[in-house]
Amino acid sequence: RKEVEQDPGPFNVPEGATVAFNCTYSNSASQSFFWYRQDCRKEPKLLMSVYSSGNEDGRFTAQLNRASQYISLLIRDSKLSDSATYLCVVSPLLGNTPLVFGKGTRLSVIA
Amino acid sequence: DTAVSQTPKYLVTQMGNDKSIKCEQNLGHDTMYWYKQDSKKFLKIMFSYNNKELIINETVPNRFSPKSPDKAHLNLHINSLELGDSAVYFCASSQVGEDVLTFGAGSRLTVL
Repeated sequence: RKEVEQDPGPFNVPEGATVAFNCTYSNSASQSFFWYRQDCRKEPKLLMSVYSSGNEDGRFTAQLNRASQYISLLIRDSKLSDSATYLCVVSPLLGNTPLVFGKGTRLSVIA
Repeated sequence: DTAVSQTPKYLVTQMGNDKSIKCEQNLGHDTMYWYKQDSKKFLKIMFSYNNKELIINETVPNRFSPKSPDKAHLNLHINSLELGDSAVYFCASSQVGEDVLTFGAGSRLTVL
């Protein structure tokens, strides 16, 4: 089983739609979880951290389910500018251990 | 002000050549990284330095040699380039104890 798995997509959705991505991770001892966004031919940028209690930032909601070892990202009222690849990122342990990146889920929001 | 800057942005070279990519961060972070993103978009850690000291060296051919002259700089030298080295190389930095990475814009290496 890969360390971090995501559906690569693409997810093609109309503007205004709600879309959700899931990500599963294999290491049950993982400590920190993130969603990064990567635009075409650009660097990854932190979108949001994922907390155990779930967290929301505007139209974006992230959830963590430790028992099932998955993380989700929900985007409401999709905008054209949301088109990007969304990377699920997991930190296996605290401290100086490398973050593990999923391969990303590609989202295209269509007018 | 660019937080993490890397040069060159594009690099096209022949097999067998030696090339370097430079990275600098002005965030005051203690930890710097090199990541490789291949054609399948898989982003994988190569090296990590904490305050000029190597702390992570994943399974990378020894043709790749990182150098950190100070904690704000982490350069990557690649000897005897091979076709499979073609990728985008991202430099990143973070503060000790924090998992959030700030990436540079990437250096796209094409080996012909």
